[in-house]
Amino acid sequence: QSALTQPASVSGSPGQSITISCTGTNSDVGLYDYVSWYQQHPGKAPKLILSDVTKRPSGVSDRFFGSKSGNTASLTISGLQPEDEADYYCNSYASTPTPSWVFGGGTKVTVL
Amino acid sequence: EVQLLESGGGLVQPGGSLRLSCAASGFSFSGYAMSWVRQTPGKGLEWVSAISGGGYTAYYADSVRGRFTISRDDSKSTVYLQIDSLGAEDTAVYYCARDPPKGYSGWAYWGQGILVAVSS
Repeated sequence: QSALTQPASVSGSPGQSITISCTGTNSDVGLYDYVSWYQQHPGKAPKLILSDVTKRPSGVSDRFFGSKSGNTASLTISGLQPEDEADYYCNSYASTPTPSWVFGGGTKVTVL
Repeated sequence: EVQLLESGGGLVQPGGSLRLSCAASGFSFSGYAMSWVRQTPGKGLEWVSAISGGGYTAYYADSVRGRFTISRDDSKSTVYLQIDSLGAEDTAVYYCARDPPKGYSGWAYWGQGILVAVSS
């Protein structure tokens, strides 16, 4: 149950696009399309922004886009806005050796 | 409206025990698996445990297996997390979350979190 690998920080100017990577193994990210992404503002509970790699829950902006290639999933935020400044976490289901869910270490997004 | 409300946290001495509760409302509780996720101060998120709808199956992270026990009472729409042999590493905000109706991806509903602090 090793943590997924995310960059510690990513920054961009308003209106730009940024991408956050999330690297796992062929036992989690690479094996299942059960990757989700969460946005967390300080002092708040995490908010689901993507599930099943690409699915946006109702009410989540279409500026958030998910993808996956091999053992790496990615979150792209387009048209960066000040309210996007937050911590972002990826998560994946893993079934080896027992069913579990593993998070990435989190990425701090700064809007310059 | 789906609501999850955690309770039972607080300050506990090393080696002590605590039982967290999460009262759910706004959905058919018995039909959903539930999970606990924790966040250490200033650090990231860690999945801790999950229990299937009906309580037939429980899963644990390696870091807590043998010390934590998850359970549920569908008549009270409540999920519990019994935490034993607490250590400093267990100091965290504990969130309960509702699992998706199908599949294994995406906790759309979270409680507000409850703080567990382990200190002598």
